[in-house]
Amino acid sequence: DAGVTQSPTHLIKTRGQQVTLRCSPKSGHDTVSWYQQALGQGPQFIFQYYEEEERQRGNFPDRFSGHQFPNYSSELNVNALLLGDSALYLCASSKGLAGDYEQYFGPGTRLTVT
Amino acid sequence: DQQVKQNSPSLSVQEGRISILNCDYTNSMFDYFLWYKKYPAEGPTFLISISSIKDKNEDGRFTVFLNKSAKHLSLHIVPSQPGDSAVYFCAASQTGGFKTIFGAGTRLFVKA
Repeated sequence: DAGVTQSPTHLIKTRGQQVTLRCSPKSGHDTVSWYQQALGQGPQFIFQYYEEEERQRGNFPDRFSGHQFPNYSSELNVNALLLGDSALYLCASSKGLAGDYEQYFGPGTRLTVT
Repeated sequence: DQQVKQNSPSLSVQEGRISILNCDYTNSMFDYFLWYKKYPAEGPTFLISISSIKDKNEDGRFTVFLNKSAKHLSLHIVPSQPGDSAVYFCAASQTGGFKTIFGAGTRLFVKA
């Protein structure tokens, strides 16, 4: 049974560019949440998708957007990249709305913005 | 505004002894608390959780204690093993599907 998978593992982008990160949830899970983890900090909640809709959002600008597909996989898009967007981006899945259940995390995508 | 705080960036413990990791929260609406463990190059892994209707939850070597009046929870690991060396994150949420808030983490070193 595959756990949460994320792609790519690493990528390097230039300021002003756009990036798309992908996530496949654990089998049987229907909720996907995205987190940003800067160096030395804990994961910061970006948003949560359930039934293909954004259900919760953290304190992130509109440059951060996402999508959930009918098969529950999800994408995170970041436009107009800033140096401060360099971080580890984690995807987590759960069965049911996150907040009520433990989440299963993927290994993350390391984004470097130069 | 840090709603979940882990004030100890690191902790070093001898193998076989008890490890105690602490966490404080400020939002009284939180009613579900979790601990995650993270190894390098991996995502966080769920360890143990506790609902606000309880003050203790135990799972093998891991016990979480919740003191609602002090808005404080702790994770006890007994006995500590070298394989427990990792970063431990405290997290909190409000049931009903609300977002999970993580602390900054505590790096545990268990010395053989």
